[in-house]
Amino acid sequence: AQTVTQSQPEMSVQEAETVTLSCTYDTSESDYYLFWYKQPPSRQMILVIRQEAYKQQNATENRFSVNFQKAAKSFSLKISDSQLGDAAMYFCARTGANSKLTFGKGITLSVRP
Amino acid sequence: NAGVTQTPKFQVLKTGQSMTLQCAQDMNHEYMSWYRQDPGMGLRLIHYSVGAGITDQGEVPNGYNVSRSTTEDFPLRLLSAAPSQTSVYFCASSYSWGQDGELFFGEGSRLTVL
Repeated sequence: AQTVTQSQPEMSVQEAETVTLSCTYDTSESDYYLFWYKQPPSRQMILVIRQEAYKQQNATENRFSVNFQKAAKSFSLKISDSQLGDAAMYFCARTGANSKLTFGKGITLSVRP
Repeated sequence: NAGVTQTPKFQVLKTGQSMTLQCAQDMNHEYMSWYRQDPGMGLRLIHYSVGAGITDQGEVPNGYNVSRSTTEDFPLRLLSAAPSQTSVYFCASSYSWGQDGELFFGEGSRLTVL
């Protein structure tokens, strides 16, 4: 089965510092999309950032950026200038066969004031 | 603009009971799907639909039925609830059944089966 792996179940970061959340994936597709979703305590799933595999340039959305290493099948999320509102569970996801979206198990990020 | 609306938000069932989780979207999205979220398991795809009249199974379809009679609605039916179906359920929709379709999620429905 094609999988998405988030090996760290929890991380903590000091407010205003930078944190990187790791994600690796398995795929046999040549073109696919990768996503990071945020789930705050409200339970609502929110898209943070997306990356198309054939694009070399790493995606950036304000304080959020990715480090996409296609050969290594790695897709990490960097959060700069962490804020209290960034505390949430973060899911890495990948499109795969038949374009179905597969999620990792998630990582809980806490932000220390 | 309501987006994706799920009802009910909370439900308690007894083993063997049946129920339907409702999902409606007002964005004219072709693609709709149901996920369940369990601790330490992430989100797993139950069923999905690429358009009215077309449905298919996801990763964990057993015990669930779906239908898609209109573009807007995609209900999830639990035929005979089991404690293993205790979970949080998310409905999601997307404009395109393609690689770049951003999923828009409902607020989730927490189901407890006793």
